[in-house]
Amino acid sequence: DTVLTQSPALAVSLGQRVTISCRASKSVSTYMHWYQQKSGQQPKLLIYSASNLESGVPSRFSGSGSGTDFTLTIDPVEADDIANYYCQQSNELPLTFGSGTKLEIK
Amino acid sequence: EVQLVETGGGLVQPGRSLKLSCVASGFTFNNYWMSWTRQAPGKGLEWVASITNSGGSTYYPDSVKGRFTISRDNAQNTLYLQMNSLRSEDTATYYCTRDPAGSDYWGQGVMVTVSS
Repeated sequence: DTVLTQSPALAVSLGQRVTISCRASKSVSTYMHWYQQKSGQQPKLLIYSASNLESGVPSRFSGSGSGTDFTLTIDPVEADDIANYYCQQSNELPLTFGSGTKLEIK
Repeated sequence: EVQLVETGGGLVQPGRSLKLSCVASGFTFNNYWMSWTRQAPGKGLEWVASITNSGGSTYYPDSVKGRFTISRDNAQNTLYLQMNSLRSEDTATYYCTRDPAGSDYWGQGVMVTVSS
């Protein structure tokens, strides 16, 4: 199985730039997707296939990477961005998710 | 507007069965792969099952293979998850998702609690 590793939590100041990383245990090409999940809500797709912004998602969000190392960038961070962020790979079965990164505001 | 509405959750004893349904609207259902993903209380996301747009192929992780069955009725725009031999570790919120590249739409989720 492809294991995805994320940092558990990040603290950032409003208006600053934050990068959330996701490292895969083997290459997933660009079959990496990013989700935001706010408390009590279902996840929301932000970025698909590593770098494509989902329709309706603010341009403050961007994604990059290929192979094993991926990043989700939020610039600038707004208060509404407080959430858990998950990466997911769809390069091979079983589909796997990272354990999530909790974004906190300083 | 795309909508996915799950039903069928509840409290069930270990070893028993439960069937979830997800009614889709706002898009051409038979054009899309669909999946179920779950989230245990306070935990992360776990993929449970996927099905091709025609229903001809299905996929599962080892944790549910042989116990869960995903199916779909394209005439009724409905996705199903039959869950047998339920265990306490299956306790979670189950989400129905549409899967073009990543899961672009998620239902609101339905809670399944496995407990005696």
